[in-house]
Amino acid sequence: LAKTTQPISMDSYEGQEVNITCSHNNIATNDYITWYQQFPSQGPRFIIQGYKTKVTNEVASLFIPADRKSSTLSLPRVSLSDTAVYYCLVGDLYSGAGSYQLTFGKGTKLSVIP
Amino acid sequence: DTGVSQNPRHKITKRGQNVTFRCDPISEHNRLYWYRQTLGQGPEFLTYFQNEAQLEKSRLLSDRFSAERPKGSFSTLEIQRTEQGDSAMYLCASSGGANVLTFGAGSRLTVL
Repeated sequence: LAKTTQPISMDSYEGQEVNITCSHNNIATNDYITWYQQFPSQGPRFIIQGYKTKVTNEVASLFIPADRKSSTLSLPRVSLSDTAVYYCLVGDLYSGAGSYQLTFGKGTKLSVIP
Repeated sequence: DTGVSQNPRHKITKRGQNVTFRCDPISEHNRLYWYRQTLGQGPEFLTYFQNEAQLEKSRLLSDRFSAERPKGSFSTLEIQRTEQGDSAMYLCASSGGANVLTFGAGSRLTVL
């Protein structure tokens, strides 16, 4: 299972763009990169997923370089409500035995300052 | 369908008592997962079901823990003879064909 490394915490002012980078040096060929957001006392919530290059949805963008050994979650113009823990996960739920044991790590605690 | 539902949301119990949590996944999802999360940590995998079959169990799941998913629908997670170290948030997730987990709000257990 691919191990991920991401900053423990980040601070940002409202209205700024926030980029959170995750490293995953031993990513496997079939692995997807998925980011989740978690608020206190709630379960994690899917934000965005990608395999390579760039993916954008209404909430965020995900940048993945050609070697796929890292990825960057970009949150445009953050607001106070974006204060949460962000997890980077690497894996493929359908690649076989053990693949469904996705490892969350400690995540990145983002604090948005007024 | 309103997503993954977990009950109860909060449970306070005394050490040595048994507790049971229930998870109702998204109806069309055939895969169901249980995770445990303690304060300041990310969720840790406990066990996984594909339909009614329990296909994987983490070493974190001691013999005091048992999970079932009768008929491949809802699932229950029972903890027998609870210990203070069992205090945590127990999260249930389900997945269908996509590589995405949909989590419930969790069941918080406090063992006194």
